[in-house]
Amino acid sequence: DTEVTQTPKHLVMGMTNKKSLKCEQHMGHRAMYWYKQKAKKPPELMFVYSYEKLSINESVPSRFSPECPNSSLLNLHLHALQPEDSALYLCASSQYNLQEAQYFGPGTRLLVL
Amino acid sequence: QKEVEQDPGPLSVPEGAIVSLNCTYSNSAFQYFMWYRQYSRKGPELLMYTYSSGNKEDGRFTAQVDKSSKYISLFIRDSQPSDSATYLCAMSAGDMRFGAGTRLTVKP
Repeated sequence: DTEVTQTPKHLVMGMTNKKSLKCEQHMGHRAMYWYKQKAKKPPELMFVYSYEKLSINESVPSRFSPECPNSSLLNLHLHALQPEDSALYLCASSQYNLQEAQYFGPGTRLLVL
Repeated sequence: QKEVEQDPGPLSVPEGAIVSLNCTYSNSAFQYFMWYRQYSRKGPELLMYTYSSGNKEDGRFTAQVDKSSKYISLFIRDSQPSDSATYLCAMSAGDMRFGAGTRLTVKP
């Protein structure tokens, strides 16, 4: 099973809302990632969790707050977002680290009004 | 110069054609090379993963890596309309770098 699941598939939120994106994998992978992807651009790395600890934060604004409750789950908490944050948010996982092939989820398409 | 260069296309071919997609890179530390396929409004799907120079084949797909030239390729044989997607190369040496993606359309 090489599946990474993400919920919700679509999300519309106002700039004052608080929402959360969820990601789950059952491949036993110890590294999980959040990416942001704008239209016709490659994914941009936001956060890396390794063995449930945040190991990389690519200078992401504090209105994005990641959380790794356990080795299978990854959340991204959103608060006070801006319209330019509208994008496809992708979760991915790999066995141990960033060097390895990553398996992506289907993404959450976020629209900030 | 970007670390990973990939022609964004678009590339349009007739059904049944052999497709060649390419990336060049500048960082000789890259050790692992991947190709992803991404359909519109979906997440990237891993197609090929290799860590050595040479060819790797999987069905209609062949990945080629030439570390001496810093050049990787993905060949698709007998292309189908269902292959229409954006193809992203990616490579890593401690962290991951993606190419810009090539948009491919296979016309029936």
